[in-house]
Amino acid sequence: DAGITQSPRHKVTETGTPVTLRCHQTENHRYMYWYRQDPGHGLRLIHYSYGVKDTDKGEVSDGYSVSRSKTEDFLLTLESATSSQTSVYFCASTTGAQREQYFGPGTRLTVT
Amino acid sequence: DQQVKQNSPSLSVQEGRISILNCDYTNSMFDYFLWYKKYPAEGPTFLISISSIKDKNEDGRFTVFLNKSAKHLSLHIVPSQPGDSAVYFCAASAKDFGNEKLTFGTGTRLTIIP
Repeated sequence: DAGITQSPRHKVTETGTPVTLRCHQTENHRYMYWYRQDPGHGLRLIHYSYGVKDTDKGEVSDGYSVSRSKTEDFLLTLESATSSQTSVYFCASTTGAQREQYFGPGTRLTVT
Repeated sequence: DQQVKQNSPSLSVQEGRISILNCDYTNSMFDYFLWYKKYPAEGPTFLISISSIKDKNEDGRFTVFLNKSAKHLSLHIVPSQPGDSAVYFCAASAKDFGNEKLTFGTGTRLTIIP
């Protein structure tokens, strides 16, 4: 399995505050992803990156932004958190030469 | 528009019996399919995959079957063990849309009864 860590693992924040979630991988993978998992929706892609400073939107990107300044780090920012962004967020990575993605342990975010 | 569908939210199977998890897809451009397993409070882990040029792939107790004409795949677990209790996600990717993206189903919670 790829070495992927996420921080923080749990966070409670108030509506309207900015929040940044961090994903760090040690596998030198080119591609990185942010998903959210919600009951009844499975895993939905928020944003992904295909290289340093190269990012693109997924299916549920509204209200989120990302940045990738180094191969190993991919940041997800909620500029102004809303209660609808309460979810479990997963980061994943892959080489691009294979279809399988490898996931981090997740961050549980609660917006009150 | 759900392109990958897992119509059974949950499934209970007796230990030692066969577990069959199903997945349907609508996008005919999908050419590679994967199954992930997820335990509570952990990230999904890759289990098994199949290319559209095959109709079966086997790895130990796990076998995935693909029926392209029906746009249907299934995961068979034989024999089922208590440690198989988890949520299983089906996923698909389309080469022409970029190998690097996966579309996931909503998941099926499998419970193995001892």
